[in-house]
Amino acid sequence: EDKVVQSPLSLVVHEGDTVTLNCSYEVTNFRSLLWYKQEKKAPTFLFMLTSSGIEKKSGRLSSILDKKELFSILNITATQTGDSAVYLCAVENNAGNMLTFGGGTRLMVKP
Amino acid sequence: DGGITQSPKYLFRKEGQNVTLSCEQNLNHDAMYWYRQDPGQGLRLIYYSQIVNDFQKGDIAEGYSVSREKKESFPLTVTSAQKNPTAFYLCASSRTGRVNEQFFGPGTRLTVL
Repeated sequence: EDKVVQSPLSLVVHEGDTVTLNCSYEVTNFRSLLWYKQEKKAPTFLFMLTSSGIEKKSGRLSSILDKKELFSILNITATQTGDSAVYLCAVENNAGNMLTFGGGTRLMVKP
Repeated sequence: DGGITQSPKYLFRKEGQNVTLSCEQNLNHDAMYWYRQDPGQGLRLIYYSQIVNDFQKGDIAEGYSVSREKKESFPLTVTSAQKNPTAFYLCASSRTGRVNEQFFGPGTRLTVL
């Protein structure tokens, strides 16, 4: 059975801090790993990673994948209160018809 | 505007009643998905459909049923057999084989009293 585990479960930081969110996976047929941000409604897409060692970057957010060790990290630098959300990691199967989600990391950024 | 709609946004039902959640998309996507999310948890796949008149069970299909009579519509029925139906339900759609590009609807929060 495919499995995606995120850590930590929750995190409280102050504005300006840097955070690292972790995602490890055990998947039979891997195609890609995705990160989403969810603020009380539908998740919004952040990154899709398919290759090891290539960092994806968008503003203060960045992510990298290690296919040998089967994990990914999401970094957020200079955090802002608007970064407060649940961050979800998901792994896509080879057929491209299913995502397996982790349990999410709840991030709270205090002013 | 293209997108996915789910209705209603909030739904209350008494225990033992079946309830149907609506999901409609006008993105011309062949594939549609239903997820369940419990507080503090990730999304779990209930059912998915790759084409009209065909659907497959996901990880937690027990107590749920779906139909896919039209490309645009993928309603989910939460039956009385579902032991703990109170949750947030998300519908999504994508092109076939492109689940990594799926669009999510706004969700329906179901509370069973």
